[in-house]
Amino acid sequence: QQQVKQSPQSLIVQKGGISIINCAYENTAFDYFPWYQQFPGKGPALLIAIRPDVSEKKEGRFTISFNKSAKQFSLHIMDSQPGDSATYFCAAQKAAGNKLTFGGGTRVLVKP
Amino acid sequence: KAGVTQTPRYLIKTRGQQVTLSCSPISGHRSVSWYQQTPGQGLQFLFEYFSETQRNKGNFPGRFSGRQFSNSRSEMNVSTLELGDSALYLCASSLSGGPQHFGDGTRLSIL
Repeated sequence: QQQVKQSPQSLIVQKGGISIINCAYENTAFDYFPWYQQFPGKGPALLIAIRPDVSEKKEGRFTISFNKSAKQFSLHIMDSQPGDSATYFCAAQKAAGNKLTFGGGTRVLVKP
Repeated sequence: KAGVTQTPRYLIKTRGQQVTLSCSPISGHRSVSWYQQTPGQGLQFLFEYFSETQRNKGNFPGRFSGRQFSNSRSEMNVSTLELGDSALYLCASSLSGGPQHFGDGTRLSIL
C-alpha cells in the first residue's frame, strides 16, 4: 500500500527554470511533511519541511505548497541550477513516533 | 557538530550469513531510526529506537533486528541473509519530535 505517491519519476529542466514535484498522501493522521534531497553515494539531506497548518513555506529557492483538503503538497525549485541535479523525496510522518513514509522519488536533471 | 556516522560504508556478504551495521547519532539525539533503500521498493522504514527501547517497527521479517545503547548509538542486525537484502541501509537520528537527519548509509551486497 503506497501511502505517499510522488510524481513525476524524473524531470529535466533548463538552468534558470522551475522544477515542480508533486506528492499526494492518503492518511490524514500525517502531520509533518519534509522534503529530502539525495545525491549519489550520499544519504538523504533534509531540504525543507511543512506542517498542515501552513499553506506555503519558502526557504531560499525552495518552496513547499500544501493543500490539506486535497491531501497534496508540492516542491517548487526556482531558478534551478546544475547543482540541484539530484533525487528528491517527499515524505510524511504522524505526530507520534519518527516513522517517515516516503514517496518514490523524483530524479531531477538541470541542464546548463 | 558531527553528523550521523554509519559504519562500515560497504559490506559484502554471502547468503545465509549474518551482518551487524552500526550507527552513531548526532550528539544529543536520542532517537535513531533505520531505513532500507532499494531501487525497487524505495525508502522503507525498518524500526526506531528511543532511549534504548524500540518505539516503532516497520513491516520487515524478524531476521531484521536492532538495539540501542545507553549512549544512543545503535546497531542493526540481519540474520540468514538473502539476496533480496542487498540494499543501502540508512540510519537517521533526531531529537524527540524533531526533523530526522540521515547518515550516508551502509551499502550491503549479498552474493
